[in-house]
Amino acid sequence: EVQLLESGGDLVQPGGSLRLSCAASGFTFSTYAMTWVRQAPGKGLEWVSSIGGSVSRTDYADSVKGRFTISRDNSKNTLNLQMNSLRVEDTAIYYCAKNSGTIAVREVFDSWGQGTLVTVSS
Amino acid sequence: EIVMTQSPATLSVSPGERATLSCRASQSISTKLAWYQQKAGQAPRLLISGASTRATGIPARFSGSGSGTEFTLTISSLQSEDFAVYYCQQYDNLPPWTFGQGTKVEIE
Repeated sequence: EVQLLESGGDLVQPGGSLRLSCAASGFTFSTYAMTWVRQAPGKGLEWVSSIGGSVSRTDYADSVKGRFTISRDNSKNTLNLQMNSLRVEDTAIYYCAKNSGTIAVREVFDSWGQGTLVTVSS
Repeated sequence: EIVMTQSPATLSVSPGERATLSCRASQSISTKLAWYQQKAGQAPRLLISGASTRATGIPARFSGSGSGTEFTLTISSLQSEDFAVYYCQQYDNLPPWTFGQGTKVEIE
């Protein structure tokens, strides 16, 4: 059974930094691309970033490009999201999701974690 | 960026009745369309990919159809556990993956 467990969410001031992690189990982690999706309070889903299985490809939403960095450690089955220069509008639940394929192209998100809450406020 | 538009925003349905949800893409995405279900306080769950292929474990009462720019999710006979928010998502023209704004299916 696929399990994804996010951690690292917290209250942070505008301009601050935070690092989210997602511990994966139940599948061959290195084989699959992985993704972060966020959901602001009471709002819909927004894709944030994706990374290929072999780390050969990373993509970012325009809203986070240059501020967020996605990475993975295939030896530890862990996905990370380094979030810098945080803004109030980054406040959201951040979900880790497993892609249905390897290269983060034309893939869906077939398993999701329960999410971790990031609150950016002074 | 492809814009996904869902209608209606809210659908009021009685248990046992059929629900029909619509999703429109701003340009053709072939059948690269997925549907997700999100219950209150829970993570989204993949229901359908390829516009019409049910994900593992998804009941047959959920069906998807369409291609190009017009898509439909049908729930043939609503059960109590089906009341939730449903999102469509395109995965043809990437990045970015884009979602519709969601349709809330509520009890009438």
